[in-house]
Amino acid sequence: QKEVEQDPGPLSVPEGAIVSLNCTYSNSAFQYFMWYRQYSRKGPELLMYTYSSGNKEDGRFTAQVDKSSKYISLFIRDSQPSDSATYLCAMNTRGGGNKLTFGTGTQLKVEL
Amino acid sequence: GAGVSQSPSNKVTEKGKDVELRCDPISGHTALYWYRQRLGQGLEFLIYFQGNSAPDKSGLPSDRFSAERTGESVSTLTIQRTQQEDSAVYLCASSRGQDNEQFFGPGTRLTVL
Repeated sequence: QKEVEQDPGPLSVPEGAIVSLNCTYSNSAFQYFMWYRQYSRKGPELLMYTYSSGNKEDGRFTAQVDKSSKYISLFIRDSQPSDSATYLCAMNTRGGGNKLTFGTGTQLKVEL
Repeated sequence: GAGVSQSPSNKVTEKGKDVELRCDPISGHTALYWYRQRLGQGLEFLIYFQGNSAPDKSGLPSDRFSAERTGESVSTLTIQRTQQEDSAVYLCASSRGQDNEQFFGPGTRLTVL
């Protein structure tokens, strides 16, 4: 079993929809949680970073962490065609030297 | 430069040949990471350099893989006697310290025929 599970998609939604992306994990030592966005043929870029259970909001993006269920989510409101990309969850442990463990990524397409 | 750069952007090689991939981190970033991204899979950690400390090599898949870093600058990842399963995108990232945001380069797409 992988430490981090993520549905690879693809996920196709109409412009303006609310998108929900999710990851589950098995290692209870994970303390820090990130969401990266990766456009085709580019490196990942950090979208959201959180280390506690609950919600964190940044513009159209909300990251949610439930450590008791080992489940994290990323919500995108008012989705735009420019949001079309692969979204990767990542996490690491305290003292883990920032060595990240990634999910497989979910491919999202926002259609006009 | 403004971001992490990697070269070459694409590399096609024959099985059994050695390849060397280069990463130029953001100036001043003390930490440098190598990851591998195989098709349909997430990024896999390979190796991590932090300042003058001994590198964390725990993610290297075999002794055919090695990496070096000169001070706090350029790093090279070397794969000896390449195999077809080594085909992947190799991504480099750097950060200001070990607990800071990692900035990724565009990657080197390696194809082993």
